[in-house]
Amino acid sequence: DIQMTQSPSSLSASVGDRVTITCQASQDISNYLNWYQQKPGKAPKLLIYDASNLETGVPSRFSGSGSGTDFTFTISSLQPEDIATYYCQQYDNLPRFTFGPGTKVDIK
Amino acid sequence: EVQLVQSGAEVKKPGESLKISCKGSGYSFTSYWIGWVRQMPGKGLEWMGIIYPGDSDTRYSPSFQGQVTISADKSISTAYLQWSSLKASDTAMYYCARPSVAGTFDYWGQGTLVTVSS
Repeated sequence: DIQMTQSPSSLSASVGDRVTITCQASQDISNYLNWYQQKPGKAPKLLIYDASNLETGVPSRFSGSGSGTDFTFTISSLQPEDIATYYCQQYDNLPRFTFGPGTKVDIK
Repeated sequence: EVQLVQSGAEVKKPGESLKISCKGSGYSFTSYWIGWVRQMPGKGLEWMGIIYPGDSDTRYSPSFQGQVTISADKSISTAYLQWSSLKASDTAMYYCARPSVAGTFDYWGQGTLVTVSS
């Protein structure tokens, strides 16, 4: 099975800062990579699909890039409402899926 | 409007059995896979398995194979996650989620909290 790693596991940043999270797959997954945001007590919400496509209605400060095994998720200007845990998820071998371990983002 | 509505919270004792549900509406239930995701307290998301209600084709994560059973009743547009003998380590929030054709989990249930304690 494909394994996913994320770094860092947590980060603290100031409002307005640029935040970057990386996700690495154990094998080439092309661009079959999504990013989700999960706030406490809520179900995850899709933000980015196919590595770099912004889901409808998601603010443009969120972006994703990468292909193959290495992916990046960026918040260009951190806002207070962005406090959450972010997960990458691969779907290279449908209908099997794997989530990354998550990155917790909070405000400094 | 696509909705996935899960059954309510459960409190069980170790060794008991349990079946939780996820009812889909607003779309063709037999045309999309439905998956289950575990989230243990304070931990991350773990994909458990998935079922295609159209023909009951089911796949499990190796971590959950033999530990749970996923099923579906297409006549009532409902998917199930079942345990035959619960353990304290099964305490978690369980989400059902519907992946799009392209592999994104674009719809999620509200979650079912399962607590297993003696």
